[in-house]
Amino acid sequence: GQQVMQIPQYQHVQEGEDFTTYCNSSTTLSNIQWYKQRPGGHPVFLIQLVKSGEVKKQKRLTFQFGEAKKNSSLHITATQTTDVGTYFCAERFNAGKSTFGDGTTLTVKP
Amino acid sequence: GAGVSQSPRYKVAKRGQDVALRCDPISGHVSLFWYQQALGQGPEFLTYFQNEAQLDKSGLPSDRFFAERPEGSVSTLKIQRTQQEDSAVYLCASSKGTQGTDTQYFGPGTRLTVL
Repeated sequence: GQQVMQIPQYQHVQEGEDFTTYCNSSTTLSNIQWYKQRPGGHPVFLIQLVKSGEVKKQKRLTFQFGEAKKNSSLHITATQTTDVGTYFCAERFNAGKSTFGDGTTLTVKP
Repeated sequence: GAGVSQSPRYKVAKRGQDVALRCDPISGHVSLFWYQQALGQGPEFLTYFQNEAQLDKSGLPSDRFFAERPEGSVSTLKIQRTQQEDSAVYLCASSKGTQGTDTQYFGPGTRLTVL
């Protein structure tokens, strides 16, 4: 079963509004990865966080890893239509498999 | 260079047929992964290869599923006696090394529909 839960499942925003998706686990995560999947596309790796309390930024995207390493968030400032897609968090086990959440699907109204 | 490629992109099979899905990883990538993605869900791990060695096959749902990577490059996922519940997108991913920090690059997937 899933080890990471994502909320919300869907988010509809007006272009220019901010967007946040959350990833939660009942157990301590060794790391958290974030992926973006455009409609009809495949998952594309965005970032990996490893350290407790870590914060990383990529342009308008801000990624956080909780102090207890049981949750993470992805925040997008001033959404654009190009941000449309499904955002997945995942935990990577050593060099092996990743366990994905079910994603948050973002739609942006121009 | 070229990314991960998969073929066919779409496959329609009648229930009970066998299918073979191919993955061409990025050249030189040591690690190769297969995932199954049902509609509206995240990818579910199936199996993992390091070169030609299948190190983890814990995600294969039944003995009808078989994967191989005989020469450590191209991989094939075979599903025997397909069932309707096998309908999904099958994603292949590769990564350069064997570290957990190595990025997984996904292919476009094969959409399998079992009638």
